[in-house]
Amino acid sequence: KNEVEQSPQNLTAQEGEFITINCSYSVGISALHWLQQHPGGGIVSLFMLSSGKKKHGRLIATINIQEKHSSLHITASHPRDSAVYICAAFTGNQFYFGTGTSLTVIP
Amino acid sequence: DSGVTQTPKHLITATGQRVTLRCSPRSGDLSVYWYQQSLDQGLQFLIQYYNGEERAKGNILERFSAQQFPDLHSELNLSSLELGDSALYFCASSVGLAGQETQYFGPGTRLLVL
Repeated sequence: KNEVEQSPQNLTAQEGEFITINCSYSVGISALHWLQQHPGGGIVSLFMLSSGKKKHGRLIATINIQEKHSSLHITASHPRDSAVYICAAFTGNQFYFGTGTSLTVIP
Repeated sequence: DSGVTQTPKHLITATGQRVTLRCSPRSGDLSVYWYQQSLDQGLQFLIQYYNGEERAKGNILERFSAQQFPDLHSELNLSSLELGDSALYFCASSVGLAGQETQYFGPGTRLLVL
């Protein structure tokens, strides 16, 4: 049983396209994290959400606590956005990770 | 550069051996988290320390142990190593106690058990 499910698993987009990655979770959370893992392996934290919506540059993250669902949107996608995007649900004493969405943006 | 350092970057060892991975958090961060990333299991949370005390425990095996020292650096000890322990081990740090803040990840230690 996976506490966190992500979709799609793989995504290929043309440069400039609007991208949405979805994350559904089954546990009660105090926070939901979005991470970006570069091809070289390094991990960067993009957002931490407990409600509502956050925006940073071309990235937007939203969460619906009632529906136990979060989305990560990338506007005007660029080849440098190519990476694996991982969501993680934090329950207060445990993190559960999705399996990641591998995004490739083609010039 | 996140400000979090991990050593060594790569480690090759044999089954049955014991290794120690080291993590230095960003200046001012009191929490250290350890994660394991393997091809078949993905990312898994192992353990969190806050200011020297264990704060949260995830899927950490009994063969594994960790501690955080007074200078806030942390070590993850892996013993009786098995082939399945081959993975990337990340540490991350944050300022506060709960997992509700931005975490800054180190570059990881790649462990290969032969």
